[in-house]
Amino acid sequence: NAGVTQTPKFRVLKTGQSMTLLCAQDMNHEYMYWYRQDPGMGLRLIHYSVGEGTTAKGEVPDGYNVSRLKKQNFLLGLESAAPSQTSVYFCASSSIGTGKNEQFFGPGTRLTVL
Amino acid sequence: AQKITQTQPGMFVQEKEAVTLDCTYDTSDPSYGLFWYKQPSSGEMIFLIYQGSYDQQNATEGRYSLNFQKARKSANLVISASQLGDSAMYFCAMREISSGNTPLVFGKGTRLSVIA
Repeated sequence: NAGVTQTPKFRVLKTGQSMTLLCAQDMNHEYMYWYRQDPGMGLRLIHYSVGEGTTAKGEVPDGYNVSRLKKQNFLLGLESAAPSQTSVYFCASSSIGTGKNEQFFGPGTRLTVL
Repeated sequence: AQKITQTQPGMFVQEKEAVTLDCTYDTSDPSYGLFWYKQPSSGEMIFLIYQGSYDQQNATEGRYSLNFQKARKSANLVISASQLGDSAMYFCAMREISSGNTPLVFGKGTRLSVIA
């Protein structure tokens, strides 16, 4: 099993450009998440999904959109990139249930917006 | 709203010594879970250990143990017999359980450096 994969691994954008980050998981997990990691800030939740066709906002959703058309995929879109969106983006997934449902993370995407 | 505080931006420990990484949390939910993740310089997030709010005993996983003090709302990670490979960022995280499988909320992390 590949676990959680993210595409691309690195990307450089110019201000105003758009892009989509793809997250895929092969563990049949219901829940998927997008976080961003900035120096000294830990991981902050952008959006998440509790099932196919559903999404919800996290702590820092502005400037991002998401879609969960298939259970195994969770897309993160930046319509008009800004330098403040320079960050490392992590996707994660977890199974249904409460308690010790660890989130499995992808390897991350390093995005630079010039 | 739930909140995680890690007050140690950086820590140093001598190889083979034990080290404690602090984590305090704030929640009004009586049912919650606490997690610790490790992030080495390669960047991946590695799950280390879990403690449920109703667990009677402190969690242990190999050289990792969680010093859970519920009344003080603290969930410190103890690493015994430190190794050079333990040098990494460590994140404490929490999930409130009563309202379902909510996303993890993370602290800002502690960078641990193990010295030979």
